Parts: sequence; structure tokens; C-alpha cells
Amino acid sequence: GAGVSQSPSNKVTEKGKDVELRCDPISGHTALYWYRQSLGQGLEFLIYFQGNSAPDKSGLPSDRFSAERTGGSVSTLTIQRTQQEDSAVYLCASSFLGGQTDTQYFGPGTRLTVL
Amino acid sequence: GNSVTQMEGPVTLSEEAFLTINCTYTATGYPSLFWYVQYPGEGLQLLLKATKADDKGSNKGFEATYRKETTSFHLEKGSVQVSDSAVYFCALSVGSNYKLTFGKGTLLTVNP
Repeated sequence: GAGVSQSPSNKVTEKGKDVELRCDPISGHTALYWYRQSLGQGLEFLIYFQGNSAPDKSGLPSDRFSAERTGGSVSTLTIQRTQQEDSAVYLCASSFLGGQTDTQYFGPGTRLTVL
Repeated sequence: GNSVTQMEGPVTLSEEAFLTINCTYTATGYPSLFWYVQYPGEGLQLLLKATKADDKGSNKGFEATYRKETTSFHLEKGSVQVSDSAVYFCALSVGSNYKLTFGKGTLLTVNP
């Protein structure tokens, strides 16, 4: 596609439920990143994929958070047993890592509200 | 660890005023530096970047120079427009995975 897409754009859930957030990166981009944007914490890195592997998961805040990427393309971020502090905008970005620093292109985000 | 500090907002200017948003960083290693912009209701967009000391990134009239001696990457524009109203984020990346570390963001409002 023309850009990074994310779905859903908005998700409202009840505390304790599981949610899945989807990211479709730009075709051909090898790297995929998840970030979280919240009022209290600003923009935080969550996890990085190179192909289908996740060599850096250091930003995942707890074991309730997990992510996978399949076919070197679509990625899903799963939050289990959601808590109110999980409310945030979840951003996905992709890039083509070909050597020097490569530009990350961001999707529009999924706004998650946990009631 | 890596961190980015940028001036707290909000910043309110009149059209055609000069803009400076300060950004300083600490990094283990030799970072690349970025400014991202988030317009109202839109996603994050790369505004400009610099990958080595003394490089100047520029785009849409905005400029920032990578100053290693002062660990800074201040954003400037000589004459702002109403359409520049947005949140501006300074960021860095270090290492082979290029994950971004962001500042807290600065809200800029430009009045006609």
C-alpha cells in the first residue's frame, strides 16, 4: 500500500479483556517497530522486528504484552488482561534497513481506551 | 542510556515570527538525530534528520544542525505560518536496529 496502515483506528475495551492491534507496513519494508504514545510517558519504543524475528523486545512493559510478525509483513500486538494504564495510542512504523540510518514511516495509530 | 530533552511547551507565536525549539540529547554511541512533526489529527511525519556532526537537516523552511560539542539539535524556522501549528518531537537513534528515543514533544501554535 501507499503507507503504513493500522487497525482498528479506535478500540474501547473493558479492563481484563484481551485486545489485538494490527499493523500493515509499507510493502518491502524489512523492519517494523511498535511505539506507544501516552500523556504521561510520551512516545515509548515497545518492540522491533527485522523480518519475522524480534531481536529487541526491551520496551514491552510487562508479560501481558506480546507481538508477532508473519510473512515479513503484517504484525499483531496483543495485550492480555488489559489495564487502565494501557490506554494510549499505539503506533506502528516501518523502514527498509539497508545500511545507514533509515527513515521510519509511521501509521496513524490505534487509540486504545480501557474502561 | 539514551535520552532526549526538548523545551517544554506550549509555544505560541504570531505568524512570521522566528521559531526555535531547543533539543539536547545524551547517547551511548554516535546517534542520528531527527525532528518529527505531528499535525492535528494526523500521524507522525519525519520533518528532517542529520546523521553526523555538523550536518544540517532542512525541510519546509525548518533547519536543525547536529552539534556534537553541545549535544544539541535545535529546530529553527525564520518565519512561521499558521499551518506550522503542530506537535514537534526531537528524537535519536543509535545502533543497528535504529529504534527511536523521543523527547516529550513541544506543542506549537501559530496565530494569524
